Parts: sequence; structure tokens; C-alpha cells
Amino acid sequence: SQTIHQWPATLVQPVGSPLSLECTVEGTSNPNLYWYRQAAGRGLQLLFYSVGIGQISSEVPQNLSASRPQDRQFILSSKKLLLSDSGFYLCAWSGGGNEQFFGPGTRLTVL
Amino acid sequence: AQSVTQLDSHVSVSEGTPVLLRCNYSSSYSPSLFWYVQHPNKGLQLLLKYTSAATLVKGINGFEAEFKKSETSFHLTKPSAHMSDAAEYFCVVSGSYKGLTGGGNKLTFGTGTQLKVEL
Repeated sequence: SQTIHQWPATLVQPVGSPLSLECTVEGTSNPNLYWYRQAAGRGLQLLFYSVGIGQISSEVPQNLSASRPQDRQFILSSKKLLLSDSGFYLCAWSGGGNEQFFGPGTRLTVL
Repeated sequence: AQSVTQLDSHVSVSEGTPVLLRCNYSSSYSPSLFWYVQHPNKGLQLLLKYTSAATLVKGINGFEAEFKKSETSFHLTKPSAHMSDAAEYFCVVSGSYKGLTGGGNKLTFGTGTQLKVEL
């Protein structure tokens, strides 16, 4: 069966520091991968999606970037965090169907 | 363009009573629709999905939803609420990305309904 992992689970970072969040998927090949942010009271916002290695599309201009160095690995990064980057970050994958399967999330607090 | 509207931001029920979470959708084509559940500080779990087969869809944990094209609705129901059902529920519609080879599907989320279950 397929599983999706995210780490770290929680992170507290100062403003201006770099960020790297990692997502990996097991049990499937060539998944579509997604990064979402869930801010308090604002629902889920799609940040990036990828249909293959090195193929990244950004949905919203922002302080963040994404990379897909391997088929089942998706990384969310920032060079300098802002206060507004705080939130709950969710990684998801999809295969042949339309549904997406979500990871456990990373709670990021920028102070 | 596609969108979903969850008609109630908060719903409170007593344990053992029925649950109704309402969702209306807008889509320019025959949509795929989903309900997801999120417990505090957890990821989203797929409850059920509609993909143009049977209009009454059964999901996990006793939940079901009925697709009504004439009403553009996809309400989530459960006959008897349990304390463990307390969570946030999202109605979601799916569309397709264009541009990147291999496609990919875009999920448009409702704003969520917080379900509270009281003793």
C-alpha cells in the first residue's frame, strides 16, 4: 500500500532563516505531487504541484520554492522566512484517479 | 471554473443523532466530488468520492453522500454521530490542469465545516 511521509512534524524558525520541508511517497511510481498551505481560518491553498522529476508549477507567487529531485520526493524551501509563512503545510500525491492523498503535515511557526 | 460552497461553518449535534453537512458545487463539466475529514493537527483523510457512477456514495466510518445534479449539491450524512466524528470536514471538487504533460488534477476546497458532537 501507499504511504506518504512528511518531516519535520513541527518547526519553529526565526524570521529570515531558511526552510526545508520534505515529503516522500512510498508504494507508487510517478505520482503527481502537491504542496498546500493551511493558514488559520483561510482554508487550503495550493502552492506547488509536480507531474514529474524537475517539473514544478507554482500556483501562487510567494517567498517559497519547490523541487522534485527524485520521483517520490518533493521538497518545499525558502531562503528567508517571513512571519506570513507560518501555517500548516500539507503534501499530497495522486495517481490514476482524481483523489489526492495527504500526508500528516508540518506545523511551521515563524517568530 | 469550479467552486464549492459549504453552507455551514459550524454544525453541532448530539451523539447518536443524524449528521448533515451541506455542500453546493459549481462546475462547467461533470465533476468529481470528494469529502475529506481533518482532525486537529492532522492531515486530511478521504471519506468518500463521487466520480459519475452511482449518485449515492458510501464512504468510511458510516458516512455517505448523495450527488444531486439538479440541485448542484453533494451533502454529507451519517445516521448516528459518534464522539470521534468531531472534526473539520471539507467538500472538494476536482478539475484538470492544462499545460504540463501528464496532467494532474486540481482540487478546489470548500472553507470547511467544523462538526461538534456533544454528549
